[in-house]
Amino acid sequence: DTAVSQTPKYLVTQMGNDKSIKCEQNLGHDTMYWYKQDSKKFLKIMFSYNNKELIINETVPNRFSPKSPDKAHLNLHINSLELGDSAVYFCASSALNRGPSSGANVLTFGAGSRLTVL
Amino acid sequence: GQNIDQPTEMTATEGAIVQINCTYQTSGFNGLFWYQQHAGEAPTFLSYNVLDGLEEKGRFSSFLSRSKGYSYLLLKELQMKDSASYLCAVPPNTPLVFGKGTRLSVIA
Repeated sequence: DTAVSQTPKYLVTQMGNDKSIKCEQNLGHDTMYWYKQDSKKFLKIMFSYNNKELIINETVPNRFSPKSPDKAHLNLHINSLELGDSAVYFCASSALNRGPSSGANVLTFGAGSRLTVL
Repeated sequence: GQNIDQPTEMTATEGAIVQINCTYQTSGFNGLFWYQQHAGEAPTFLSYNVLDGLEEKGRFSSFLSRSKGYSYLLLKELQMKDSASYLCAVPPNTPLVFGKGTRLSVIA
C-alpha cells in the first residue's frame, strides 16, 4: 500500500522520559511534516523537511528534535516529556516545492500517534 | 502570518444541505484547502480552490472569493457519515496552516 505510516499508534509514558515516533512514506514525496493536534483539536505545524533539509521549525521547545535520515523518513524524538506534550502527532508528506505553484500540492497524513504523558 | 476563522460547531439534519464558512487573512495566497477529519482519524483532502468561484465534486462543493478572504464548503444530501470536523487551510509558501475546524454533527 502507498501511504504515510507512523509508529507507534499509541504511546503512554511517564513525565521526564524520552520517546520517539517514527514516520515513513512510500509516495515518493519530497517534503515531510510533523503536526501536533491537541485536546482542542487544533492542528498545528511543528516541523517541515524538504529532501532531508529542515525548512520550517515553528515555535517548538528544543526538547523536540526531528531527524530525517532520508527523504522517505522523518522521525520525531522528544526528550524530558511533559504533561503538556500529550496530544496526537500526525506525520504528513507532500510533493511540495518552494515555488509559487506550491499551493496545489496536497498533504497526505499518517494515521496519527496518540501520546499520553502521565 | 495567517489567521483563519471558522465556526466551532454546526448541527444539521440527514438529507439537508449545510454550508461551512471560512474567513482568512494571509500574507501570501496560494489557494485554499478543505480537509475532512473523522474523530480519531487523520485529516483527508476534500478540495482545493485557487481561483474565485465554485468547485463542485459530487455532494461537496467549495467556493472561494479572494477579494473577500472568504470560502465555504457546501455539503448536500447530508449523510450520517458526514459527521466530522472540516478544516479550512491556507498555504503561504510552505506548510498548510489550518483553522481550528468546524465540528459537524449530522442528526437523523
